[in-house]
Amino acid sequence: GAGVSQSPSNKVTEKGKDVELRCDPISGHTALYWYRQSLGQGLEFLIYFQGNSAPDKSGLPSDRFSAERTGGSVSTLTIQRTQQEDSAVYLCASSLDQTVLAKNIQYFGAGTRLSVL
Amino acid sequence: GIQVEQSPPDLILQEGANSTLRCNFSDSVNNLQWFHQNPWGQLINLFYIPSGTKQNGRLSATTVATERYSLLYISSSQTTDSGVYFCAVERPSGQNFVFGPGTRLSVLP
Repeated sequence: GAGVSQSPSNKVTEKGKDVELRCDPISGHTALYWYRQSLGQGLEFLIYFQGNSAPDKSGLPSDRFSAERTGGSVSTLTIQRTQQEDSAVYLCASSLDQTVLAKNIQYFGAGTRLSVL
Repeated sequence: GIQVEQSPPDLILQEGANSTLRCNFSDSVNNLQWFHQNPWGQLINLFYIPSGTKQNGRLSATTVATERYSLLYISSSQTTDSGVYFCAVERPSGQNFVFGPGTRLSVLP
């Protein structure tokens, strides 16, 4: 597609359940980022993927969070045993090539709003 | 880690007014971007500006990398400019972006 696509747009789940959030980056973009934005707050970096390199997981808040990127394209962020504090908007961004500085402009999806009851 | 500050945290303007938003960062950066998050939550890239000055219509931005700050200028503001403006910097290690806390702008008709 023309832009970064995220699904679902909204997700309501019960505490303790697992959820999967999906991100389809812009075609050809090798770098992919996940961020979390709590209500009224800034963006918190979670994880990023660059090509075939090992992902930078330094922003993941706990071992209940994991992400994978299959075939260098689609990414899935999984939250296990969700807690109420996980409620937030989860944003995905992609960029053309993180190693070519002039091209590292991030384009964001519309986000997934997660509500944990 | 690198710290990013933005000021002011909140700004209310009358339509037609001009404004300046500031972003300070604590270390050298490879990359700096300004984003606008509209009231529906969509983040739009405004400028990629690690140094120098750029202009796009009523918006312009200047980054003085040696002094570790960037400014975003909005002239003749319109109600559609309302939202939150974020600056984000990429560390020299190039590993990830750090976002500032944002400036929430409200433009009144």
